[in-house]
Amino acid sequence: DTAVSQTPKYLVTQMGNDKSIKCEQNLGHDTMYWYKQDSKKFLKIMFSYNNKELIINETVPNRFSPKSPDKAHLNLHINSLELGDSAVYFCASSQAGAKNIQYFGAGTRLSVL
Amino acid sequence: KNQVEQSPQSLIILEGKNCTLQCNYTVSPFSNLRWYKQDTGRGPVSLTIMTFSENTKSNGRYTATLDADTKQSSLHITASQLSDSASYICVVSATGGYNKLIFGAGTRLAVHP
Repeated sequence: DTAVSQTPKYLVTQMGNDKSIKCEQNLGHDTMYWYKQDSKKFLKIMFSYNNKELIINETVPNRFSPKSPDKAHLNLHINSLELGDSAVYFCASSQAGAKNIQYFGAGTRLSVL
Repeated sequence: KNQVEQSPQSLIILEGKNCTLQCNYTVSPFSNLRWYKQDTGRGPVSLTIMTFSENTKSNGRYTATLDADTKQSSLHITASQLSDSASYICVVSATGGYNKLIFGAGTRLAVHP
C-alpha cells in the first residue's frame, strides 16, 4: 500500500485549461502539503493543511486552489494553466510538530503546452 | 532571506568509495535540519533530522553532522553502492509556525561501478 499517493503521475495539457491533481495519504497524519519542484529542482512549499484547515499559503497565484475534503485528502485545482506552471508537483503528509517527518508522494509531472 | 545552499552541485564516485556532501544555511530562527534522498522520478525520502543540540546523526551508511554555530551541515556516505545514486537534498526548518521547510537545490550523486 502506497503511503502517499497522487494522481495522475503525468499530466499534459494546453494553456488555458483547468486541471486537478489528487492526493491521498493512509498514514493517519493530520497535516498535508503541496510542493512545486521547478526545473532547477528546488522544492517550494505552496500550501499546507492541518485537520482540513489551511495553515500555510505561500505567494501562489490564486489560480491554484487547494481543497481538503477530509484529513486524508488534499487536492490541487489549477485554473487557466500557464506555461510557467509546468513543473513536478509533490504532495506530502506528516503529523503536526516541528520535528515530524514529511512523507512525499511520487509526484505529478505537469506539462503545459 | 532564508536560504539553503548545497555543494557540490553534482558528484561522480566509484562504487565502494566514500563521499561528503555540504550544506550551508541562513535560515533563522532555526528549528531543525534534515537530509532527504530523492531518486529519479520519486518523491524525497527522509534520511536524518537534527535539532540545534545534535551534532551528528547516523542512518546506516549515512552520517549527517551539524554545526549550528557556523550554520553548516554535511552528509557523509560510506562504502557507496550503486543504489546511492540519487539527489541529496538539505532541508532546514524554521521555527515560528507550522512545519515550514526550506529546501536546497540538492547534490546529484552518481555512483559508477
